[in-house]
Amino acid sequence: DAKTTQPTSMDCAEGRAANLPCNHSTISGNEYVYWYRQIHSQGPQYIIHGLKNNETNEMASLIITEDRKSSTLILPHATLRDTAVYYCIALAVYDKVIFGPGTSLSVIP
Amino acid sequence: GAVVSQHPSWVICKSGTSVKIECRSLDFQATTMFWYRQFPKQSLMLMATSNEGSKATYEQGVEKDKFLINHASLTLSTLTVTSAHPEDSSFYICSAPEVAGRSDTQYFGPGTRLTVL
Repeated sequence: DAKTTQPTSMDCAEGRAANLPCNHSTISGNEYVYWYRQIHSQGPQYIIHGLKNNETNEMASLIITEDRKSSTLILPHATLRDTAVYYCIALAVYDKVIFGPGTSLSVIP
Repeated sequence: GAVVSQHPSWVICKSGTSVKIECRSLDFQATTMFWYRQFPKQSLMLMATSNEGSKATYEQGVEKDKFLINHASLTLSTLTVTSAHPEDSSFYICSAPEVAGRSDTQYFGPGTRLTVL
């Protein structure tokens, strides 16, 4: 799996957009970018994934740069319940999910 | 969406005893499930892949005789921590793939917190 790099922590004001960056400069052609999050003392939750096109679902949007070396997860209107550790993972569809340290997002009232 | 459950949600045991943790896929079948553990303030660490009807595959450094995995049916995998010691105290989480045969998008259970006294 390609290594990803994320900031250790970020803050976001409640109601504002949270933009979480991720670098994956060594991503392979068959690897997708996945985002999971883990709220404290719970199991992780799948958020979204993409290959090269931008993706949007009910939870978030994923913006992938044209060269695929970085991406940004966007939570359009962050709420306090979005406070969690967010994991950006580059892997192919048959790879096991291996978690890095992730970004600890704190949504502040 | 699909749900993965774990039982118990927490357990406290004495050193030297064995503890069994169950992982169930509630409305879908899973030929493969995954077991992770997480120490405080750390990320999840993949322990093993549970395979229905065959032996589990353990990640490097994980003792297979210590962490026994059984995947007896398409909806149930169990992790038994044998002769538990305080250093085994951790948050154990299982997952099952959304799509059979793939492993990228996973449904995770709520976790089991094990405390060994």
